[in-house]
Order: sequence, then C-alpha cells, then structure tokens
Amino acid sequence: AQSVTQLGSHVSVSEGALVLLRCNYSSSVPPYLFWYVQYPNQGLQLLLKYTSAATLVKGINGFEAEFKKSETSFHLTKPSAHMSDAAEYFCAVSDSGSARQLTFGSGTQLTVLP
Amino acid sequence: ETGVTQSPTHLIKTRGQQVTLRCSSQSGHNTVSWYQQALGQGPQFIFQYYREEENGRGNFPPRFSGLQFPNYSSELNVNALELDDSALYLCATHAGQGGFGETQYFGPGTRLLVL
Repeated sequence: AQSVTQLGSHVSVSEGALVLLRCNYSSSVPPYLFWYVQYPNQGLQLLLKYTSAATLVKGINGFEAEFKKSETSFHLTKPSAHMSDAAEYFCAVSDSGSARQLTFGSGTQLTVLP
Repeated sequence: ETGVTQSPTHLIKTRGQQVTLRCSSQSGHNTVSWYQQALGQGPQFIFQYYREEENGRGNFPPRFSGLQFPNYSSELNVNALELDDSALYLCATHAGQGGFGETQYFGPGTRLLVL
C-alpha cells in the first residue's frame, strides 16, 4: 500500500529565506508524486508533479522538487520565500496499484515571517 | 481557479440526518473522485466514478454513497450522519483513465458540520 509522510506539521521561515518542505513516500511500484497547496477556505491547487521523467521537477510560483528513489523522498523547495507562500502544503502519491486515487500526507503549514 | 464547482459551500446538519453534496466537473473531465478532509489532516479518498460507474473505494462505510450523471457531474450522499463526519468534502476531476500521472483538479469544497 502506498503512503506519504510529511516531516514537520509547521514550518516557519523568514521572507527571502529558503523554503524546504519534506516528503517521504512508500510505494511497492514506481510512484507518481504530487505537491498541492491549499490556501485558507479554498480547495487544493497543484504545484508540481513527478511522473518518471526528469527527477528535478519545476512547478508554479518558483517551487521545485527532486525525486530521490534511494531516499524515497520528494522534498519541495523554493529559494526565496514570499509572504504569499503562506499556506498549507500537501504531498501526495499515486501508483498503478490504486484506482488512481491520491494518498495524501498530513500536510505542512508554512508560515512566512516578515 | 479550476472549472470544478461544488455546492453548497457550507452545511450544518444534526446526527442521524442525511446529506447530499454536489460537484460539477471541469469541461472534458469524465472521472470524479471524492475526498474527506478532517480538520488538521490531509484529504482521504472516499471513492471514484468513471463514466457513471464506481471505479474504486477507500476505507469508508456503505453509508457513504455516490452517483455520477451523464454530464459527469456527481453527488456524494452520506446517510445516518455522525459527529465524525464533520469535515471539508472535496471533489476532484480529471479526464479519462489514461496514465496514472494525471492531474486531478479540485473544487473549493463543501464544509459540513454535524451537531
């Protein structure tokens, strides 16, 4: 069965600092991995996804993530945080053993300090 | 903003009642999935419909049921509501049963409170 672990339920960074949100996955077959962002009182918006092409994936709003099979990780990074990045971030996995369902981590709340 | 809409936006019910939530798919999308997001948690998969047939189900009891209509809009029905059913209910749509890397597009959700 597939699963996702997000380390750190809350992360705080200063504006302009590096953002690093951690995600580790478990899957018995090659996974597809996603990062979604959720702003208050809104649904989920896709930031980026890994589908077995390039291991370094670039997404919207300056975010990127690197798939590392040896570490079963898919950490999300952004070189310089903006105030508008404050939101909840979810890592999710899907694989061929599922009904194309997404299995989500518990989320990381990102706070950006002025 | 995706083209996925959900109604109502908020709902208050009492224990034992029944509720119906609705989702309109983004144009061209024939697959819809429903997720439950409890406060402070990630979304959990309830079930998926593809061309009006259930195409997979998560670990939810039978009192959670669904429908998909010919225009690919969808309903989630919950019977005999329990306090723990209080959550944000999200629907997500995508096109067809192609590759597993398909992006699912989420609606804004319906927030259900059970008293």
